[in-house]
Amino acid sequence: GENVEQHPSTLSVQEGDSAVIKCTYSDSASNYFPWYKQELGKRPQLIIDIRSNVGEKKDQRIAVTLNKTAKHFSLHITETQPEDSAVYFCAASRVGITGGGNKLTFGTGTQLKVEL
Amino acid sequence: NAGVTQTPKFQVLKTGQSMTLQCAQDMNHNSMYWYRQDPGMGLRLIYYSASEGTTDKGEVPNGYNVSRLNKREFSLRLESAAPSQTSVYFCASSVDRDYGYTFGSGTRLTVV
Repeated sequence: GENVEQHPSTLSVQEGDSAVIKCTYSDSASNYFPWYKQELGKRPQLIIDIRSNVGEKKDQRIAVTLNKTAKHFSLHITETQPEDSAVYFCAASRVGITGGGNKLTFGTGTQLKVEL
Repeated sequence: NAGVTQTPKFQVLKTGQSMTLQCAQDMNHNSMYWYRQDPGMGLRLIYYSASEGTTDKGEVPNGYNVSRLNKREFSLRLESAAPSQTSVYFCASSVDRDYGYTFGSGTRLTVV
C-alpha cells in the first residue's frame, strides 16, 4: 500500500517568514495530493490540493508543488501569521475510478509554530 | 447545513465494553470514511464505504466493524473495547467530483 513520509515534525518560524513542509510518497500510481490544517482540538480542514497533471498550485499565501519523478510534494506558506500556527498533514491517494471513493494515506503531521 | 455530524463527542469505556460511534452527512456525498488519530501517527484509515451498500477495510480494521446504514449514515462499532483503541476517531465524507474530505468534529474515546 501507499506510504507517506512527512518532514519536519515540528517547525518554528518568525512571523512574516516562509514555511516549507515536505512529503514523499511510495506509490507511483497516486495522483491526488491534499493538505489539511488542524488547529488544536479541531477537525482537519482541507487547505489546498493538487493532482498529478499539475506541477504547482497557488491560493493566496499557500502553494503546493509536486515532483512526480521524485515522488515528493511540498507545502509553501509565505508571509506567515500567528493564525497559521497548527498541525499540517499531507496525504496521497489514487482517484479516478468512478464510485471508487478516495482512500487517503496521511503523513504523520508537522506542528507549525509562528512566533511573534 | 450541518456537514458531517459525529456522536458522541467524548466517551469513556471499560475494557470489554462495546459501543457504536455514529456519523451522518447531509451533503449527498457518496463516500464515507472512519479514521483514528493517535499522537505522532497521523490519521489512519479504519474502514471506508465508497458508495451506499459497500464497505471495505482500511489500514487498521482489527477490532472494528462498520455499517453503511444508508447514503447519509456510516457507523463504527467496537465489539470489545481494548485500551489500544483509546484514540480520537474522525468520520469523513467525500464526493467523486473533487475528492476533498469533509471531516466531522471527532469522538475522543478513552478505554480504561
